[in-house]
Amino acid sequence: ETGVTQTPRHLVMGMTNKKSLKCEQHLGHNAMYWYKQSAKKPLELMFVYNFKEQTENNSVPSRFSPECPNSSHLFLHLHTLQPEDSALYLCASSLSPGTSGSEQYFGPGTRLTVT
Amino acid sequence: AQTVTQSQPEMSVQEAETVTLSCTYDTSESNYYLFWYKQPPSRQMILVIRQEAYKQQNATENRFSVNFQKAAKSFSLKISDSQLGDTAMYFCAFCDKAAGNKLTFGGGTRVLVKP
Repeated sequence: ETGVTQTPRHLVMGMTNKKSLKCEQHLGHNAMYWYKQSAKKPLELMFVYNFKEQTENNSVPSRFSPECPNSSHLFLHLHTLQPEDSALYLCASSLSPGTSGSEQYFGPGTRLTVT
Repeated sequence: AQTVTQSQPEMSVQEAETVTLSCTYDTSESNYYLFWYKQPPSRQMILVIRQEAYKQQNATENRFSVNFQKAAKSFSLKISDSQLGDTAMYFCAFCDKAAGNKLTFGGGTRVLVKP
């Protein structure tokens, strides 16, 4: 596997379910990000982790719970979601913020549908 | 807070011709990066080109070039010799180096290359 991978690619869940999204980066990066991409809205940054520490939570509802066990893996745990949470969830990674050349590389995304 | 505006929701271009996408941004920062990302229908977001704000020379990557006007806060992307594979959503992004390389995205421009 190369680059940034995300599983699953598609997920349908009910509002009472609990599921997790997984992201893995194979680029030797130290920072990882979760974004939400909804139809007709700009990409929204959700969370940032740098060296496994959360450095940004962009006022995300608590029904989204991130976990970063190491610099290569990032999870997004989902529970009691709402239909308006249906979106494409993108993971990205980069060198540590502040490092020259720390552009972000994106995974293919997980298309989430909440029914 | 930074804002990024892409005023063209959709553009179409004939194969082999040139198309220019506009992007303007608003910031009080002086040290930042600007990026153009491409998101084909397969959804993987790909970095197309980057520009460092302190560099006056416009960045170029093969058929992709930018016109960076720092005083005007403008960052347009020119795609030359358009190819069918250039069909995608294109996102302009502002990178705030003082805020941990946080990315702010524009709303995107859908480009359709016609044979």
